[in-house]
Amino acid sequence: GAGVSQSPSNKVTEKGKDVELRCDPISGHTALYWYRQSLGQGLEFLIYFQGNSAPDKSGLPSDRFSAERTGGSVSTLTIQRTQQEDSAVYLCASSPVRRNTGELFFGEGSRLTVL
Amino acid sequence: KQEVTQIPAALSVPEGENLVLNCSFTDSAIYNLQWFRQDPGKGLTSLLLIQSSQREQTSGRLNASLDKSSGRSTLYIAASQPGDSATYLCAVRLSSNDYKLSFGAGTTVTVRA
Repeated sequence: GAGVSQSPSNKVTEKGKDVELRCDPISGHTALYWYRQSLGQGLEFLIYFQGNSAPDKSGLPSDRFSAERTGGSVSTLTIQRTQQEDSAVYLCASSPVRRNTGELFFGEGSRLTVL
Repeated sequence: KQEVTQIPAALSVPEGENLVLNCSFTDSAIYNLQWFRQDPGKGLTSLLLIQSSQREQTSGRLNASLDKSSGRSTLYIAASQPGDSATYLCAVRLSSNDYKLSFGAGTTVTVRA
């Protein structure tokens, strides 16, 4: 597609349920990032993928969070046993590493509300 | 650890006035700096990217300058319009091997018609 696509755009879930958030990066972009933006706070780095591998998972807040990327394209961020503090906007970004200016292109985000 | 600060947190100006948004960072050894715009409930839109070797970048009414030695970048928006109302974020990348961006908290701009 023309831009980074994320789904769902909005997700309301009950505490304790698992959720999956999907990111479809710009075609040809080998680098993919997940960030989290909580109300009134800045962007928090979660994880970075280069191709299918994740050399940097340092930002994942707990072992309830995991992410995978298949085929060097689509990525899924999974949050197990959701808690109210997980409520945030989850933003995905991609970057064309081969022509590496380091510029990131973001999707519209997935807004997660945990009741 | 790289700390990125944006001051002021909020800014309100009448239409037509020029906007000056400030971004400062603690580690001057950066790879690049990127300015983004975020509309309420939306993702981030890249505005300008300045490489560490550059002093400024321009796009239309937008101009961003970079002074690495003092750890500062300034985003200028000329002749502001109500459509410029948004939150503006700056983000710094430390090296070509470090793909993480360190973000400021943003400046929320309101342009009054």
